[in-house]
Amino acid sequence: ELKVEQNPLFLSMQEGKNYTIYCNYSTTSDRLYWYRQDPGKSLESLFVLLSNGAVKQEGRLMASLDTKARLSTLHITAAVHDLSATYFCAVRSGYALNFGKGTSLLVTP
Amino acid sequence: GAVVSQHPSWVICKSGTSVKIECRSLDFQATTMFWYRQFPKQSLMLMATSNEGSKATYEQGVEKDKFLINHASLTLSTLTVTSAHPEDSSFYICSARDLANNEQFFGPGTRLTVL
Repeated sequence: ELKVEQNPLFLSMQEGKNYTIYCNYSTTSDRLYWYRQDPGKSLESLFVLLSNGAVKQEGRLMASLDTKARLSTLHITAAVHDLSATYFCAVRSGYALNFGKGTSLLVTP
Repeated sequence: GAVVSQHPSWVICKSGTSVKIECRSLDFQATTMFWYRQFPKQSLMLMATSNEGSKATYEQGVEKDKFLINHASLTLSTLTVTSAHPEDSSFYICSARDLANNEQFFGPGTRLTVL
């Protein structure tokens, strides 16, 4: 059974600071996803990582994938309040996605 | 980009009634759609995989007689919550797999409240 673990589950950080969210998974997979969810909303796709060493960046967010370590990171640079949301990583198993528990991020002034 | 819609976006019903939720892929064909459930402050849990023209595959612990899934066309899957009870209150999110690129796209979700 594929397990996906995220940490931390809760993160409160000041504006302007940097931080990293980690996502570990238990078995090999060909794709890893990062999503953002705002309260009461569905998922917004952030990144799809396909291969070992893949790195993608969009604005203040950068995601990377190490398939050998079965680890992905989502790095936040110089956080701003608008980044406050819940972030999920998900790993594909067959066609379905297995989600981590999510990281609830709060960026404070 | 690929768009998935859900209808209704929210529904309130009385305990014991049935509720149908539709999931449509608007600009692509999807032989496979997925139904997820999300309780407050929790992650998404896969309930079932819906396959066009065949029976759905349910995850362990999900009652197939309670959550009826129909995938009658390449663009539409429906989830019917039968004899709903307050514990079925949740956020139901569908996703559809685009045949062209093998990627999943998520719908906006349906908030179900059972009184």
